[in-house]
Amino acid sequence: NAGVTQTPKFQVLKTGQSMTLQCAQDMNHNSMYWYRQDPGMGLRLIYYSASEGTTDKGEVPNGYNVSRLNKREFSLRLESAAPSQTSVYFCASSGGRVHRDRGLGRVILYEQYFGPGTRLTVT
Amino acid sequence: LAKTTQPISMDSYEGQEVNITCSHNNIATNDYITWYQQFPSQGPRFIIQGYKTKVTNEVASLFIPADRKSSTLSLPRVSLSDTAVYYCLVNAGNNRKLIWGLGTSLAVNP
Repeated sequence: NAGVTQTPKFQVLKTGQSMTLQCAQDMNHNSMYWYRQDPGMGLRLIYYSASEGTTDKGEVPNGYNVSRLNKREFSLRLESAAPSQTSVYFCASSGGRVHRDRGLGRVILYEQYFGPGTRLTVT
Repeated sequence: LAKTTQPISMDSYEGQEVNITCSHNNIATNDYITWYQQFPSQGPRFIIQGYKTKVTNEVASLFIPADRKSSTLSLPRVSLSDTAVYYCLVNAGNNRKLIWGLGTSLAVNP
């Protein structure tokens, strides 16, 4: 059980080049996410996919596209890389855990499991 | 989604108990409080989650007062390997999206 895997681990691009970051999970989770993390900025959501075949924009989607290829895989594409996209990219997945709260009733809690990250530099 | 406020950094020594408090004044009725830990060059890792009162697992304890406007993550007897960034998040049950703050950078000294 590998959890969440990401490729590549490191990448250097020139401005204007394109590339795809790959992510796969083997936990049978429905939801998958792409984040970027910059120094002093914390994690910011780029796109997420609630289930196979659906994707939604997060906080910072501009300059990115995603594909939820199947339940296991969620890829992030940079069509024309810019220096502002230099960052560490994390993929995550969550399956939803049913919790029964006395006051709220049946609640689904989403704990996220993260991949090791891709360090991308755009020059 | 409720915004959280936590200290930017904290220092401690091996063997001490560390308490990190997070403020979430606008927490909604169906929001849960979740803490994650992140080591350098790694993705965040789930630590603990709770709704009210006290939750304990093998790693930490989470204390939530009755008004739920704050929560405290307690790490007993920290070691050097607990040096990491700790994130406090609030999110509604049934909500897949999380809002991440800057976290608290904990340094454990020998």
